[in-house]
Amino acid sequence: DADVTQTPRNRITKTGKRIMLECSQTKGHDRMYWYRQDPGLGLRLIYYSFDVKDINKGEISDGYSVSRQAQAKFSLSLESAIPNQTALYFCATSDLVGNQPQHFGDGTRLSIL
Amino acid sequence: AQSVSQHNHHVILSEAASLELGCNYSYGGTVNLFWYVQYPGQHLQLLLKYFSGDPLVKGIKGFEAEFIKSKFSFNLRKPSVQWSDTAEYFCAVNENYGGSQGNLIFGKGTKLSVKP
Repeated sequence: DADVTQTPRNRITKTGKRIMLECSQTKGHDRMYWYRQDPGLGLRLIYYSFDVKDINKGEISDGYSVSRQAQAKFSLSLESAIPNQTALYFCATSDLVGNQPQHFGDGTRLSIL
Repeated sequence: AQSVSQHNHHVILSEAASLELGCNYSYGGTVNLFWYVQYPGQHLQLLLKYFSGDPLVKGIKGFEAEFIKSKFSFNLRKPSVQWSDTAEYFCAVNENYGGSQGNLIFGKGTKLSVKP
């Protein structure tokens, strides 16, 4: 199911480069999230957005920025990539009303050399 | 701060063995509880969830979990595992404000390897 689409799926880049990861959703959900997954650490929240005008830092926002261009689009940027940002990045969505669990994209595997 | 603990980092079982994965959380208020599964190379998928009511929750693929409020636990169980259950399992918790939810806090995950 392609309700939450992430691009690119894989990216290899060099230290110091600016990287943008994009996420779009067709679920009509208000909330969107960016997580990173590292082996043995589970998922950690980077940024989240309740709507287009509401952006919030998560647990590990340093070194990252986000843009909520529309209800359906939420992009994550690494302004100057560093090797310890090598990870698997997931975008997720949830409905603001009620207690809906989050729906995840397929992930972006980012490697910074 | 709220936290979620998964006690086992890696569990290895033979097919047909029974499974129980532990999960404890630290928050004292009303919570929603989730178990997610991540098959190799795939994104997270919801296995089951608890919001309220019967503390024994049944999910997909024969999994179930029991919420024990007094122990702050939400352990995942399956009577007989299959090789296809090989995956990483994540427990997650968020605060229930009665009409909206807080952000999910994930445990660090438990890798399950099932030997054929």
